[in-house]
Amino acid sequence: AQSVTQLDSHVSVSEGTPVLLRCNYSSSYSPSLFWYVQHPNKGLQLLLKYTSAATLVKGINGFEAEFKKSETSFHLTKPSAHMSDAAEYFCVVSGRGATNKLIFGTGTLLAVQP
Amino acid sequence: SQTIHQWPATLVQPVGSPLSLECTVEGTSNPNLYWYRQAAGRGLQLLFYSVGIGQISSEVPQNLSASRPQDRQFILSSKKLLLSDSGFYLCAWTSGTDTQYFGPGTRLTVL
Repeated sequence: AQSVTQLDSHVSVSEGTPVLLRCNYSSSYSPSLFWYVQHPNKGLQLLLKYTSAATLVKGINGFEAEFKKSETSFHLTKPSAHMSDAAEYFCVVSGRGATNKLIFGTGTLLAVQP
Repeated sequence: SQTIHQWPATLVQPVGSPLSLECTVEGTSNPNLYWYRQAAGRGLQLLFYSVGIGQISSEVPQNLSASRPQDRQFILSSKKLLLSDSGFYLCAWTSGTDTQYFGPGTRLTVL
């Protein structure tokens, strides 16, 4: 069965400093992996998606994530945080089958201090 | 391009009243459609999904039901709301891939 663990429920960084949001996954096959972002009272927006084409995936707004099979990790990074990055971030793994169901992590709330 | 709409954006309803939330998708055909709920301080819970008109699968036994009367329309309903139905309801679609795209959500408060 597939599962995903977000290792930090809250992360706080200063504006201009790097962001690291950690995610570990478990899967019996090679899944797709996603990061979504959710601003308060908004829907989820796709940041990036890994599909085995390249281990380093670049997303929107300067975010990127690296797939490490040996560590079963898919951490999200950004070199320099911006105030507008403050939001909740979800690491997600794809389920199997035609229903395309997703398995969501519990989320990491990113705070950006001025 | 594809877009997804949800309405209403916010809703305040008394306990015991009925509910109808609507989701529509534009720019694609025969999508898979999903309803999620996000309760305060909790993650996303998949409620229902549909792979075609009239085909509904329920993930969690509850006070809610879903219908898909048209290819790109997905409706979430309840006959009698409970306090525990409060939350943020999200609709999502996918078509041909495993990437889901989410709507703007509906904030439901049951008093």
